[in-house]
Amino acid sequence: QVQLQESGPGLVKPSETLSLTCTVSGGSISSYYWSWIRQPPGKGLEWIGYIYYSGSTNYNPSLKSRVTISVDTSKNQFSLKLSSVTAADTAVYYCASTPNNGDYDLNYWGQGTLVTVSS
Amino acid sequence: QLVLTQSPSASASLGASVKLTCTLSSGHSSYAIAWHQQQPEKGPRYLMKLNSDGSHSKGDGIPDRFSGSSSGAERYLTISSLQSEDEADYYCQTWGTGILVFGGGTKLTVL
Repeated sequence: QVQLQESGPGLVKPSETLSLTCTVSGGSISSYYWSWIRQPPGKGLEWIGYIYYSGSTNYNPSLKSRVTISVDTSKNQFSLKLSSVTAADTAVYYCASTPNNGDYDLNYWGQGTLVTVSS
Repeated sequence: QLVLTQSPSASASLGASVKLTCTLSSGHSSYAIAWHQQQPEKGPRYLMKLNSDGSHSKGDGIPDRFSGSSSGAERYLTISSLQSEDEADYYCQTWGTGILVFGGGTKLTVL
């Protein structure tokens, strides 16, 4: 069973870059696609983007200009960078897995980490 | 445009059954979706993948009380024998070419 754990700073200043890492255990990073999702306080879920172990990515068009997702197969980790953040980027950030079978249901989730954008 | 529509809220009594609906946008009625549960102050939990023909595959440890069905562009999540811990937000999720989409979520209250 795949387990995911997000880590990174809980506070980021406006205009700076948010950086988070997701560590994967219980499964090979080459067996899944890996997604980032966020949830602003009191609101719904928003998909940010996903990456395959090969490095190929797809991003939400609304965030594409500011997002970079990368993977480190040697550490079984993948990462999120979101640049030029504002208060609107304050959210709980989740990482999740998607099986490599042609479907993109998010079948395992991390517990999430709250990132606050504030000076 | 690929869009999922959910009613904002639903309610049902303890021990009863409830059927939540997720509607796919026009032209996407053949798409599969996933259902996720988010209990208060917790992260989402994968419930199942639901195909257009109503067949579904559940996530690890999901009780038999949770089932899915489909009709046209509508995807349903039925929860039977409601328990207090079923009070949660329920999100549907689907995917297209290079994109994942969530519905707005339904807040289920167990009375």
